[in-house]
Amino acid sequence: NAGVTQTPKFQVLKTGQSMTLQCAQDMNHEYMSWYRQDPGMGLRLIHYSVGAGITDQGEVPNGYNVSISTTEDFPLRLLSAAPSQTSVYFCASTSDTGREQYFGPGTRLTVT
Amino acid sequence: GESVGLHLPTLSVQEGDNSIINCAYSNSASDYFIWYKQESGKGPQFIIDIRSNMDKRQGQRVTVLLNKTVKHLSLQIAATQPGDSAVYFCAETAGGFKTIFGAGTRLFVKA
Repeated sequence: NAGVTQTPKFQVLKTGQSMTLQCAQDMNHEYMSWYRQDPGMGLRLIHYSVGAGITDQGEVPNGYNVSISTTEDFPLRLLSAAPSQTSVYFCASTSDTGREQYFGPGTRLTVT
Repeated sequence: GESVGLHLPTLSVQEGDNSIINCAYSNSASDYFIWYKQESGKGPQFIIDIRSNMDKRQGQRVTVLLNKTVKHLSLQIAATQPGDSAVYFCAETAGGFKTIFGAGTRLFVKA
């Protein structure tokens, strides 16, 4: 099993551009989450899925959209990139207990 | 609002010693508290969790203690090894799949 995969690993955007960060998991988990991690900081929850194709907002949802097309994929879309969105983005797949999360390797995004 | 924070941003210990990493939380409604380890350049990795109705749980070389009276959580690592050097995060969940992380403590292990 590959676990949780994220693409791309690195991305540079100009202010105002849009893009989609990809996340996929092969562990048959139903629940997934997106976090951002700024330098020297903890992870902040952006959006997460709660099952049945439903998503909910986390701590910092503004400027981001998510969609659920399959349970294996959970893409994160940046609508209009801003320098404040420069960060490392982690996708996580959650076990059925709702506690143990499996994280991808991250996408390092720079917005200039 | 909800918050999970840590007392110490960095901790330096001698190899072989025990490490204690602390965390304070404010959401009394959290039902699970979780510790994650993050090595440089990688995503966090689950270490251990504890249900809110417990006060102690042990794993392999790790023990998590929960004191609900003072809303304090700690992670004890026995016989700390160089491979334990990482950033450690506490996190909490409340009634679902929404997990909130604290700011993290960096652990340095001196050989």
